[in-house]
Amino acid sequence: ELKVEQNPLFLSMQEGKNYTIYCNYSTTSDRLYWYRQDPGKSLESLFVLLSNGAVKQEGRLMASLDTKARLSTLHITAAVHDLSATYFCAVEINNDMRFGAGTRLTVKP
Amino acid sequence: NAGVTQTPKFRILKIGQSMTLQCAQDMNHNYMYWYRQDPGMGLKLIYYSVGAGITDKGEVPNGYNVSRSTTEDFPLRLELAAPSQTSVYFCASRETGNYGYTFGSGTRLTVV
Repeated sequence: ELKVEQNPLFLSMQEGKNYTIYCNYSTTSDRLYWYRQDPGKSLESLFVLLSNGAVKQEGRLMASLDTKARLSTLHITAAVHDLSATYFCAVEINNDMRFGAGTRLTVKP
Repeated sequence: NAGVTQTPKFRILKIGQSMTLQCAQDMNHNYMYWYRQDPGMGLKLIYYSVGAGITDKGEVPNGYNVSRSTTEDFPLRLELAAPSQTSVYFCASRETGNYGYTFGSGTRLTVV
């Protein structure tokens, strides 16, 4: 059974600092997604990673994928308050997208 | 384009009642999905459809039914509501061969 584990589940950061969120999954997958969710809102797609070694960057966020280790990372550079949200990774196999429990990020001044 | 539209946004049901959550998309996407999100958790797949007339179970289908008579609509039916079905329900769609999912704004359902 496909399982997806994120850590940490809670992350409190100072503005300007860097940090990494980790996403491990248990079986070979078709693709890996990163989403952002603000409280009471829907999901916003951040990245889709398709192949081993894939790296994508948007602003202060960079995602990477290591399919051999079954690991994806979401790196935050020089955090700002606007990045405060919950971040989910999700792994898809045959139309079944399994989500991690999410990382609740708070960026403090 | 409106994208993925879900109705209602909020609903309170009594135990044993039934209801249909509506989901419509205007992007001509073949793939549609229903997820539920319990507090503090990630989303779990209930049912999905790869085209009109075709549906399949996801990870947590018990207590739910779906139909897909048109490309645009993918309603989710709860027949006998139970407190365990209290959750936020998200509908999503994507285009064949495209990896990007479009999510609706969600329906917050409480069963009392």
